[in-house]
Amino acid sequence: QQQVKQSPQSLIVQKGGIPIINCAYENTAFDYFPWYQQFPGKGPALLIAIRPDVSEKKEGRFTISFNKSAKQFSLHIMDSQPGDSATYFCAAGYSALIFGKGTTLSVSS
Amino acid sequence: DAGITQSPRHKVTETGTPVTLRCHQTENHRYMYWYRQDPGHGLRLIHYSYGVKDTDKGEVSDGYSVSRSKTEDFLLTLESATSSQTSVYFCATSTGAVDNSPLHFGNGTRLTVT
Repeated sequence: QQQVKQSPQSLIVQKGGIPIINCAYENTAFDYFPWYQQFPGKGPALLIAIRPDVSEKKEGRFTISFNKSAKQFSLHIMDSQPGDSATYFCAAGYSALIFGKGTTLSVSS
Repeated sequence: DAGITQSPRHKVTETGTPVTLRCHQTENHRYMYWYRQDPGHGLRLIHYSYGVKDTDKGEVSDGYSVSRSKTEDFLLTLESATSSQTSVYFCATSTGAVDNSPLHFGNGTRLTVT
C-alpha cells in the first residue's frame, strides 16, 4: 500500500508564528503534491500544489518546500492567523491521490 | 465547491441494511470520487468514476459499490452496512485527472451504523 506520512498530528502556534507541516512519500512515480485545507463541517479545499520539477512554490502566505531526493515536502504558513485554524492534508499521486492523515492546526490570538 | 450536493447529510442505519448515498454536481465535471474520512486515517479513496458508466476501485472499496448513469450523479451503495462503515463520506469532482486538476469536495455525509 502506497503511503503518505504526515506529521505532526496536531500543532498549536501563536498568531504570527510559522507552523510547518511535513509529509513524506514512498512512490517515486508520484508527480503531483497538493495540500488541502479543511474547516469543521466542510469538505477539504485545495490550498496549494507543487510538481517535482521545482523545489519551492509560494502562494500568498503559504509555501510548499519540496525535496525530491529525500521524498519529502512541507507546508509553511507565514504570519499565521486565527483564521488559519483548520485541518491540513498533504497528498501525493499521479492517477489517484493518496492523502496523509491530516494535521490539526490551532492558531491562538 | 463546484456545485456539489451530497444527500443525505446525516444518516443513522442498522447493521445489515442497505444504504445509498448520493452525490449530485452541476459543473459537468468528468471525474467523480467517493472518499471516506476517519480519525487517524485521513481521507481514503473508495471508488471513482472517469465518465458515465466508467468506474474503478480505490484503496478501500470492499463492501461498497458505485454507479454513474448520468454525468451529474454518482451513487455510493453499502449493500449490507457494518459498524466499520461508520464514517464521514465525501464526494469530490474534478475536470481532469487528479494530477492536472484540483478536487472539489462536497460537504460530506455523516453515516452512523448501529
